[in-house]
Amino acid sequence: DAGITQSPRHKVTETGTPVTLRCHQTENHRYMYWYRQDPGHGLRLIHYSYGVKDTDKGEVSDGYSVSRSKTEDFLLTLESATSSQTSVYFCAISPRDSYEQYFGPGTRLTVT
Amino acid sequence: SQQGEEDPQALSIQEGENATMNCSYKTSINNLQWYRQNSGRGLVHLILIRSNEREKHSGRLRVTLDTSKKSSSLLITASRAADTASYFCATDRVGGANSKLTFGKGITLSVRP
Repeated sequence: DAGITQSPRHKVTETGTPVTLRCHQTENHRYMYWYRQDPGHGLRLIHYSYGVKDTDKGEVSDGYSVSRSKTEDFLLTLESATSSQTSVYFCAISPRDSYEQYFGPGTRLTVT
Repeated sequence: SQQGEEDPQALSIQEGENATMNCSYKTSINNLQWYRQNSGRGLVHLILIRSNEREKHSGRLRVTLDTSKKSSSLLITASRAADTASYFCATDRVGGANSKLTFGKGITLSVRP
C-alpha cells in the first residue's frame, strides 16, 4: 500500500465520544487526503493537506477536523461522533499536484 | 454535485470477454483517472489520461477520453476472474485548488470463471 498505514483499522465507539484516526506515510509526499466511503455515495473528500500545517476543507467536512504537524502524519478527528459518521475512512497521499493518489487500507468506524 | 458518474453501475461478464466501463463528467478537467478497489481494500491507481490525450494503454487496459462529450471509457481486454472489483473514475477539475479529485460512485465488475 505504497508506504501508507492507517490506525486503528477497526473501531467501535459510542455517540458523543471523540475519535481520532491516524494516517502515517513513509513516502515523504506533500499531499495527504481523508475520504469517507459509503454505499451509494462513492468516495467523498473530507479534508486534505498540501503541506505541514496547511489544510483545507473538502466536500463533507462538517463534524471533522484535521491536523498535520509533521509531513508523515495526518490526523482526522471526530469531535463528537454521530451515527451518521459510521463509515469506512481512507487516507491517500500524492507527491504533487494533479497526480495519482495512493490509498491506505482504510479504517472501518462504527458509531453506536 | 458528483463530477464523475460511471455507467453501468454493475457489469457481469465471462472470463475472457472484454469489459467496457464509461464515465461522464460535467466541467472541464485537467486529467481523468481510473482506480480499482478490491473488496475490503483501498483504491489502487490504474491509469491517468490528461485532457490533451485521446487514448492511453497500459497492459490490458485501454482508456479513451472525449473532452467534447465530457466522457471517458475504460476497456479491460481478455478479462480474468482477478479483475473482479469496483472501478472508479476520478476527475481533477480545471480551476480546482490543490489537486482535489472528485470520484464517481463506482462500477461493480464481476468476472465469472
